[in-house]
Amino acid sequence: EAGVVQSPRYKIIEKKQPVAFWCNPISGHNTLYWYLQNLGQGPELLIRYENEEAVDDSQLPKDRFSAERLKGVDSTLKIQPAELGDSAVYLCASSSDRGFTGELFFGEGSRLTVL
Amino acid sequence: QKEVEQNSGPLSVPEGAIASLNCTYSDRGSQSFFWYRQYSGKSPELIMFIYSNGDKEDGRFTAQLNKASQYVSLLIRDSQPSDSATYLCAVNNMRDDKIIFGKGTRLHILP
Repeated sequence: EAGVVQSPRYKIIEKKQPVAFWCNPISGHNTLYWYLQNLGQGPELLIRYENEEAVDDSQLPKDRFSAERLKGVDSTLKIQPAELGDSAVYLCASSSDRGFTGELFFGEGSRLTVL
Repeated sequence: QKEVEQNSGPLSVPEGAIASLNCTYSDRGSQSFFWYRQYSGKSPELIMFIYSNGDKEDGRFTAQLNKASQYVSLLIRDSQPSDSATYLCAVNNMRDDKIIFGKGTRLHILP
């Protein structure tokens, strides 16, 4: 069974440019998460989807970040415009239930460098 | 006070010894607790979860939970160099079903 797939793995952009990350969760997993991880820190939740509904986006900086999960499967996270402080690894994860008891399966992450 | 606290380390342990990793959490409503391992440059992977007070053993790993003290720990017996990684403690509560990660403890097993 394929795991969580993310792309691109690496992205280098100049500040003020837009960037988008894509995530394909494990088949059948209805819950999808986007986390941000800075060096030496734990993952921080940006947004959580139950199917196509964003049930927790309280930590998503909505002035520059947006996300969507059309049809409740793939998801895209966008940053526009990017700032130097956005340099981090963006992790996508999925789980087969609401996450209370379930394991999170993480993708390999998308490492963003903003110059 | 941060919601999930861990000592960032590095924690250096001789090969074959027991590594002890600790985590405290602030929300008394927390119901489930997880330990994830993250190798450098890789994504986190679940190694243990625990819901009830006491110990839970899985191979060389033992998770310990004390809800009264709001404390969870992970013991690794017979530590191997391949155990060198960052160990992330994660906590979930029923109220908002949010999984909060600590910043992780770097473990280094000395050959």
